Amino acid sequence: KNQVEQSPQSLIILEGKNCTLQCNYTVSPFSNLRWYKQDTGRGPVSLTIMTFSENTKSNGRYTATLDADTKQSSLHITASQLSDSASYICVVSEDTGNQFYFGTGTSLTVIP
Amino acid sequence: KAGVTQTPRYLIKTRGQQVTLSCSPISGHRSVSWYQQTPGQGLQFLFEYFSETQRNKGNFPGRFSGRQFSNSRSEMNVSTLELGDSALYLCASSSVGVYEQYFGPGTRLTVT
Repeated sequence: KNQVEQSPQSLIILEGKNCTLQCNYTVSPFSNLRWYKQDTGRGPVSLTIMTFSENTKSNGRYTATLDADTKQSSLHITASQLSDSASYICVVSEDTGNQFYFGTGTSLTVIP
Repeated sequence: KAGVTQTPRYLIKTRGQQVTLSCSPISGHRSVSWYQQTPGQGLQFLFEYFSETQRNKGNFPGRFSGRQFSNSRSEMNVSTLELGDSALYLCASSSVGVYEQYFGPGTRLTVT
């Protein structure tokens, strides 16, 4: 069964600190993996998209890694800011491109 | 390029009523997907339309229906509303051959 699991479910960190969010998936055949940031009450916004051959991709203070062998991805946030407080969702696509599998997200709270 | 737009942004309905939500995809995108998001449930896939045809369907009752017009705009209809239908309804569009979805801001539906 194709699934995407994220951990932790929620996380509270101090402003300026780093954190890492995890995403494990069983989706096969794999096409790509995306990380989205969703502010409360708004639609998700894409942070990174990674294909099978990519190990690391950065977008400013956000760095995503992908290990296609172990089917794991992580999103590392450096020097967190209050505006990073949001839900981070991992989405994996099947090779057909028509099916998207969503994780339930990690709720990140950055406190001053 | 304008992003995905959804109308209305907020809606309050009474149990038993029906509601229609609208989504305008990014210009040139022919695929439109609808999702329901409730606290603790994450994003739940409703259905996807491509070139006016429903291509995929999630596990929701027949009260949830949709359609897509020739200009790729899509509508979602929920009949006989229940309290449990209160949620954020998100629309996402994607282009042919590009495995990434762009989300709209969502419609917050409250059923009383």
